[in-house]
Amino acid sequence: NFMLTQPHSVSESPGKTVTISCTRSSGSIASNYVQWYQQRPGSAPTTVIYEDNQRPSGVPDRFSGSIDSSSNSASLTISGLKTEDEADYYCQSYDSSNQVVFGGGTKLTVL
Amino acid sequence: QITLKESGPTLVKPTQTLTLTCTFSGFSLSTSGVGVGWIRQPPGKALEWLALIYWNDDKRYSPSLKSRLTITKDTSKNQVVLTMTNMDPVDTATYYCAHMGVVAATLFDYWGQGTLVTVSS
Repeated sequence: NFMLTQPHSVSESPGKTVTISCTRSSGSIASNYVQWYQQRPGSAPTTVIYEDNQRPSGVPDRFSGSIDSSSNSASLTISGLKTEDEADYYCQSYDSSNQVVFGGGTKLTVL
Repeated sequence: QITLKESGPTLVKPTQTLTLTCTFSGFSLSTSGVGVGWIRQPPGKALEWLALIYWNDDKRYSPSLKSRLTITKDTSKNQVVLTMTNMDPVDTATYYCAHMGVVAATLFDYWGQGTLVTVSS
């Protein structure tokens, strides 16, 4: 199986843009879709990006996703940061046997 | 409207077996492509996937916990049950069940509220 590695924390000011990375340890990042979840304290995760770069209805277009085969990583970019974006973010993918893998999570602070 | 809710004991003793039930509505686990998974989260820590069961009774388990886990479904009751044997204090966590397969095939698109299970003597 493989691991997904995320930075433990990132911080940025309101109005700015932040990017959270998710690096796959083995196998190609492009082999299997990557999803991104937002989790606020005391709540269950919700989807912000699915299938690498798709946004569910209701998620603002300030949220975008991409993959980079050269770094074997996926990225979640949030532009025009708002204080309400402060949360934990998790990437998730799966392998050829449909084993699900979550990243270790990134705490986003908007200060 | 899809909803899921976890139920089970809030406190278990070390070495005991944990049984959690996910009761859902708004979808059928006999519909092609649909799955229900279990994910846990120790306090202050990351999400960890545990198990997944599909509409066709195909089952997947976390490799690190496979020997301790069993997932089953009761389509007529709209329930999925997870059992975890030989519980340890490190298994203290919030346990979530989640639906997979409407928005995207490998996305947990709907989650339950979670249930906190504490393992202590």
